[in-house]
Amino acid sequence: GQNIDQPTEMTATEGAIVQINCTYQTSGFNGLFWYQQHAGEAPTFLSYNVLDGLEEKGRFSSFLSRSKGYSYLLLKELQMKDSASYLCAVINSNYQLIWGAGTKLIIKP
Amino acid sequence: DAMVIQNPRYQVTQFGKPVTLSCSQTLNHNVMYWYQQKSSQAPKLLFHYYDKDFNNEADTPDNFQSRRPNTSFCFLDIRSPGLGDAAMYLCATSVTGGEADTQYFGPGTRLTVL
Repeated sequence: GQNIDQPTEMTATEGAIVQINCTYQTSGFNGLFWYQQHAGEAPTFLSYNVLDGLEEKGRFSSFLSRSKGYSYLLLKELQMKDSASYLCAVINSNYQLIWGAGTKLIIKP
Repeated sequence: DAMVIQNPRYQVTQFGKPVTLSCSQTLNHNVMYWYQQKSSQAPKLLFHYYDKDFNNEADTPDNFQSRRPNTSFCFLDIRSPGLGDAAMYLCATSVTGGEADTQYFGPGTRLTVL
């Protein structure tokens, strides 16, 4: 089977750093996406990784290790508006997008 | 601004009463997707169109149908909604459906079944 594993929920403090992990087992790999989804809203694109290493985009960075089937999303200088769910999704060899259930991130003042 | 639009944002229907959800896009993307998402779950792909080529996921119930009359519009028809069909329905588009192809989502339609 194919699956994406992420923690269900995480809590962090405003101004701090948090790392959200994602491990995947899919039939082939053609890239990994991170999306942000605020409650009751649609997912919005954050990042795409297809090569190993770290991609930095402002306060958000995404890391990929294909050999380990592992990615993380790193959020720095957390703001209250970062409270949302973060979904990891992998494109497999059939170009299907396999989604994780998301990690709900709660930011406390 | 180029975007994906869904109407209505909130839809209430009665058990068994057919309902149609609509999606339009100004991005001129070839691929359109319909997802069902229940609370705290991953989006579940129901259908996708590559241009007019329709692709049905194997586990999509027969109760769900879709139409794409032109590049810009796509509809989701639920023929006889059950209580278990209450969910957020997300429409998304992408350029090619291939690798590195980002999907862009509309705001979603939240369906309530009474």
